[in-house]
Amino acid sequence: DIQMTQSPSSLSASVGDRVTITCRAGQTISNFLNWYQQKPGKAPKLLIYAASTLQGGVPSRFSGSGSGTDFTLAISSLQPEDFATYFCQQTYGMPQTFGQGTKVEI
Amino acid sequence: EVQLVESGGDLVQPGGSLRLSCAVSGFTVSDNFINWVRQAPGQGLEWVSIIYSGGSTYYTDPVKGRFTISRDNSKNTVYLQMNSLRGEDTAVYYCARVSRAVTMGGISMYSDYWGQGTRVTVSS
Repeated sequence: DIQMTQSPSSLSASVGDRVTITCRAGQTISNFLNWYQQKPGKAPKLLIYAASTLQGGVPSRFSGSGSGTDFTLAISSLQPEDFATYFCQQTYGMPQTFGQGTKVEI
Repeated sequence: EVQLVESGGDLVQPGGSLRLSCAVSGFTVSDNFINWVRQAPGQGLEWVSIIYSGGSTYYTDPVKGRFTISRDNSKNTVYLQMNSLRGEDTAVYYCARVSRAVTMGGISMYSDYWGQGTRVTVSS
């Protein structure tokens, strides 16, 4: 199985801050990397697919980059509704695997 | 409008069985890939199973031989039959549509629509 390691596991930030979350794959996964946002009691929401493609309807303050083994999710100016947990997911190999999550807190 | 609605979650004793349903609208299950993903209490996301449009199925190792994914095209519904349930299967189970995009690296898959989840608790 391809292990996905996110860092940090949690972070504290303020409204307006720039935030970056990294995800490292245990082997090369090309650009088969997705990012999801999850709020408590809710289903995950797709933010970015194929490492850098913004899903329709997602604000442009979210961006993704990377290829191979190292990937980054950036939020350019944190908004109150962005406080949530973020997960990366690889779909290069079966089984699909997720990172352990990064909780973004005030 | 694309919607996925899970049902069938319940409290069940270890060794018991449950069948989860994922009723979809706004698209056709037979033309799409469908994932099941679970989340144990306070934990992260774990992929469980997928059914491809062609009918191929795949499972994570901990559920192989115990869980079966299937679909009923006439009802536009995907199922997850769960047998020999264990405490570690306790989780919220989500179904999700898997879309595909052609990228420089090949065909990328991603879960773009999710249901609200159904809770499975395995306990005596």
